[in-house]
Amino acid sequence: EVQLVESGGGLVQPGGSLRLSCAASGFTFSSYWMSWVRQAPGKGLEWVANIKQDGSEKYYVDSVKGRFTISRDNAKNSVYLQMNSLRAEDTAVYYCARDRLGGLDVWGQGTTVTVSS
Amino acid sequence: QSVLTQPPSVSGAPGQRVTISCTGSSSNIGAGYDVHWYQQLPGTAPKLLIYGNSNRPSGVPDRFSGSKSGTSASLAISGLQAEDEADYYCQSYDSSLSGSVFGGGTKLTVL
Repeated sequence: EVQLVESGGGLVQPGGSLRLSCAASGFTFSSYWMSWVRQAPGKGLEWVANIKQDGSEKYYVDSVKGRFTISRDNAKNSVYLQMNSLRAEDTAVYYCARDRLGGLDVWGQGTTVTVSS
Repeated sequence: QSVLTQPPSVSGAPGQRVTISCTGSSSNIGAGYDVHWYQQLPGTAPKLLIYGNSNRPSGVPDRFSGSKSGTSASLAISGLQAEDEADYYCQSYDSSLSGSVFGGGTKLTVL
């Protein structure tokens, strides 16, 4: 079964850091771009970042540039999102998703990040 | 404000047909980038509904169809059913932002 499972969310103070992980199974992970998408409470979807199959290209939404870093480990079938200097507006459910020709065809269940003092 | 503009809400009676628009610009839809559509049921992760403007993944009923013209795209849902009540999002790539963008989402209510 094709599956993505996120972990690492939690409560963090403003200015703090958190590392999200996404474990993939059921498909050849190293063949796909991977993305992170977030959804603030009661709001719409926002694309956050994506990474090429070999990790050589990475792109970010402007609001997280310089604070978030996407990475992957193809040997572990995992993609990560390192989040530093967190702000209240980063509070959201974070989803990882498989990128197939631009469309996100497989999604995880999401992990919740809450930034609050 | 989202880069892609969707109506906040649409509604229709069971069996009817509704359309959801997604309006972009010359740096995204108008530049020829594909549009994808997602359905998000309450409390669940989004699900890919239409990819590459008009293609349905396996398992998606043919009641759902997508189209694209100029700087806009549309999702049509025919034969509305109660279980179609959900939030719907369009997505494309924007060259000026060098990344993907989503519409603000449309809440579909089945009357």
